[in-house]
Amino acid sequence: GQNIDQPTEMTATEGAIVQINCTYQTSGFNGLFWYQQHAGEAPTFLSYNVLDGLEEKGRFSSFLSRSKGYSYLLLKELQMKDSASYLCAFMDSNYQLIWGAGTKLIIKP
Amino acid sequence: GAVVSQHPSWVICKSGTSVKIECRSLDFQATTMFWYRQFPKQSLMLMATSNEGSKATYEQGVEKDKFLINHASLTLSTLTVTSAHPEDSSFYICSARDLAGSAGRETQYFGPGTRLLVL
Repeated sequence: GQNIDQPTEMTATEGAIVQINCTYQTSGFNGLFWYQQHAGEAPTFLSYNVLDGLEEKGRFSSFLSRSKGYSYLLLKELQMKDSASYLCAFMDSNYQLIWGAGTKLIIKP
Repeated sequence: GAVVSQHPSWVICKSGTSVKIECRSLDFQATTMFWYRQFPKQSLMLMATSNEGSKATYEQGVEKDKFLINHASLTLSTLTVTSAHPEDSSFYICSARDLAGSAGRETQYFGPGTRLLVL
């Protein structure tokens, strides 16, 4: 079967670093996505990993290990505007996204 | 980056009426678009996959006669909620698959969403 899991909520301090983990199980895999969603808004694309390793994009980095079914999103130099839900999703063999429930990230001053 | 628009952003309608929501990819062609529904504090739920020039594929439990999807061109998909009822009130979000994507990778980009309130 397919499943995907991420923590429900995390809290971090402004200026710090936070890592949001995502684990998944699937027989067909065509990449893993991270999206940011502010309350009341649609998700916005952050990253896409299909090969193992770390992809860095400014303050945000995403890591993938296909053998472990594991990904994380790393946010550096946290800003208050980073308070949002972060959704991980993998693309299955039918090229559909299977979504995690999202991690609500709370940034404190 | 790629942009997807949705129209309208807000709609309030009376029970029993039909509402059409448009999803457009503005700077790329999307042979495949997806329609999602999201209830408050819940994750996105895929309703259907819309393929240009062919019938949409609906997820289990989604009534295809109630949620009509038309993908008439490579840049436009429409979702019509027919005979809307209060329980259809939700946040409807479309996404479009960009096969080229940034850095040559397939990516899905989301529209801003449409809030539907059925009275």
